[in-house]
Amino acid sequence: GQNIDQPTEMTATEGAIVQINCTYQTSGFNGLFWYQQHAGEAPTFLSYNVLDGLEEKGRFSSFLSRSKGYSYLLLKELQMKDSASYLCAVMDSNYQLIWGAGTKLIIKP
Amino acid sequence: DGGITQSPKYLFRKEGQNVTLSCEQNLNHDAMYWYRQDPGQGLRLIYYSQIVNDFQKGDIAEGYSVSREKKESFPLTVTSAQKNPTAFYLCASSIVGGDPPTEAFFGQGTRLTVV
Repeated sequence: GQNIDQPTEMTATEGAIVQINCTYQTSGFNGLFWYQQHAGEAPTFLSYNVLDGLEEKGRFSSFLSRSKGYSYLLLKELQMKDSASYLCAVMDSNYQLIWGAGTKLIIKP
Repeated sequence: DGGITQSPKYLFRKEGQNVTLSCEQNLNHDAMYWYRQDPGQGLRLIYYSQIVNDFQKGDIAEGYSVSREKKESFPLTVTSAQKNPTAFYLCASSIVGGDPPTEAFFGQGTRLTVV
């Protein structure tokens, strides 16, 4: 079966750095997406990785290792507004998105 | 402004009633999707459509129905056969066949509560 694993919840301090991990087992691979979702709102796109390595976009970076079935989202200089759930999704061989349950990130002052 | 719109944001339904959730997009996307989100779970695919007048069941289609008569519109009906319909419903759209694949865009969601 297809499976995406993420930690359920993480806590970090304002101004710090946090890494949210995602491991996956899917039928084929056409890329991995990270989304941010504030409570009660729609997910918004953060990043897309299809090749191994690090993609940097401002305070957010995303890393992919296809051989390990592993990705992480790195958030730097954390702000209170970064408190949200972070969803990892893999596009499988049929170009369908398989979603993880999301990681709830709590930022403390 | 281009985007994807769901309505209503909050919906209450009595047990035994059918209810239809609206989803409209003006992004000219061919693909549209309906997801259900429950607390502590990932997004689960209900139905998707990649072309007008055609749609496919997702992982949890039982108790739901859809139509795709226009490219812009993909309404979801929650029927009385759905035993546990209280959830947050998200509609999304995307380009089909992009290289590389592009992200899906989401509507604001509809929170359905059965009373």
